[in-house]
Amino acid sequence: SQELEQSPQSLIVQEGKNLTINCTSSKTLYGLYWYKQKYGEGLIFLMMLQKGGEEKSHEKITAKLDEKKQQSSLHITASQPSHAGIYLCGAETSGSRLTFGEGTQLTVNP
Amino acid sequence: NAGVMQNPRHLVRRRGQEARLRCSPVKGHSHVYWYRQLPEEGLKFMVYLQKENIIDESGMPKERFSAEFPKEGPSILRIQQVVRGDSAAYFCASSRDRSYSPLHFGNGTRLTVT
Repeated sequence: SQELEQSPQSLIVQEGKNLTINCTSSKTLYGLYWYKQKYGEGLIFLMMLQKGGEEKSHEKITAKLDEKKQQSSLHITASQPSHAGIYLCGAETSGSRLTFGEGTQLTVNP
Repeated sequence: NAGVMQNPRHLVRRRGQEARLRCSPVKGHSHVYWYRQLPEEGLKFMVYLQKENIIDESGMPKERFSAEFPKEGPSILRIQQVVRGDSAAYFCASSRDRSYSPLHFGNGTRLTVT
């Protein structure tokens, strides 16, 4: 079965700093999704990557999928307190359901 | 457009009671997924349904749990004879297509079993 490992598990940064969250798969990724979850709320879709080498950006968040399609990274530039939350990567598995990593808890200190 | 609507937001049940969780998908979405999030753990897939059909229930516990998505009305996740270990956040998600279509999540139902 698909297994996704996220690192780090938690991250505390000072406002304005850049940061990167990684998601590594045990199998080739055919669809990689990044979501953000705030405490007590549902998941908000951020980005979807499908092709090897693909890179997408939205505001200050950039996500990349490596050429081998087994690793993805999420990079936040000039972090703000509003970026705080849990970031989860999800991957397509057989049956078209998403399997999620354990999540990365991000804290941004003002 | 309304997103995925789940109710209730919070549900308290005593051990042995039944819990019914409801999910109305995004209008036009015919694929519904249920996930469970235990404290300090990630999201675990439970079941995938299309209208009137269970497509994949490989994540559902073998006993006490059932799900349906009728032709009319919301999807229902039903937990019979709840136990303390059932306490968790249950999330519903919907999508328009089967593959490569982002899932839209509701805000979840937080079940507490006392």
